[in-house]
Amino acid sequence: KQEVTQIPAALSVPEGENLVLNCSFTDSAIYNLQWFRQDPGKGLTSLLLIQSSQREQTSGRLNASLDKSSGRSTLYIAASQPGDSATYLCAVKGKAAGNKLTFGGGTRVLVKP
Amino acid sequence: SAVISQKPSRDICQRGTSLTIQCQVDSQVTMMFWYRQQPGQSLTLIATANQGSEATYESGFVIDKFPISRPNLTFSTLTVSNMSPEDSSIYLCSVVQIPDTQYFGPGTRLTVL
Repeated sequence: KQEVTQIPAALSVPEGENLVLNCSFTDSAIYNLQWFRQDPGKGLTSLLLIQSSQREQTSGRLNASLDKSSGRSTLYIAASQPGDSATYLCAVKGKAAGNKLTFGGGTRVLVKP
Repeated sequence: SAVISQKPSRDICQRGTSLTIQCQVDSQVTMMFWYRQQPGQSLTLIATANQGSEATYESGFVIDKFPISRPNLTFSTLTVSNMSPEDSSIYLCSVVQIPDTQYFGPGTRLTVL
């Protein structure tokens, strides 16, 4: 059964510092991995999708890498801003699970002005 | 990207009553997913809803408690029946669009007293 872990559970950084968020998964047989952002009490916003054949994806200040063989993905957010404060979730779509996503527990990020 | 709306955005309900949550998508999709996010937790898939067939429920979720309708390719409802305080959660609907990105609605925040 696929398990997805995100460490740390919470992170606090000063504004301007780069953020590094980690996601690990136990079964490397995946279709893709997706990073989401969730503001308190709100739904999820898709940030980046990485297909299993890709090594990384970039969007603006965000860069996500994928190392399928080691079961790891990292989300980098450059030059963090207070508006980046949110919970970041990673989710994998595993081949054993069909079209279902398995979510990590999330990393709660606070960027201090 | 898919635009998903949910109604209601939040509600406070009494124990023993039922609440129906509506999910509307701005384009036709084959599968719609319903998730639950309990306080401080990550997302758990409740069921997958396909148009014209019975919903497929995940382990721990049953149709009598969470009946789902899927009358067409842009709409679905989830009912939370005979509610108890343990049902207090955010309920989110979700769809997948080409190439393979999963999108989420804004969520329905349910509090059961």
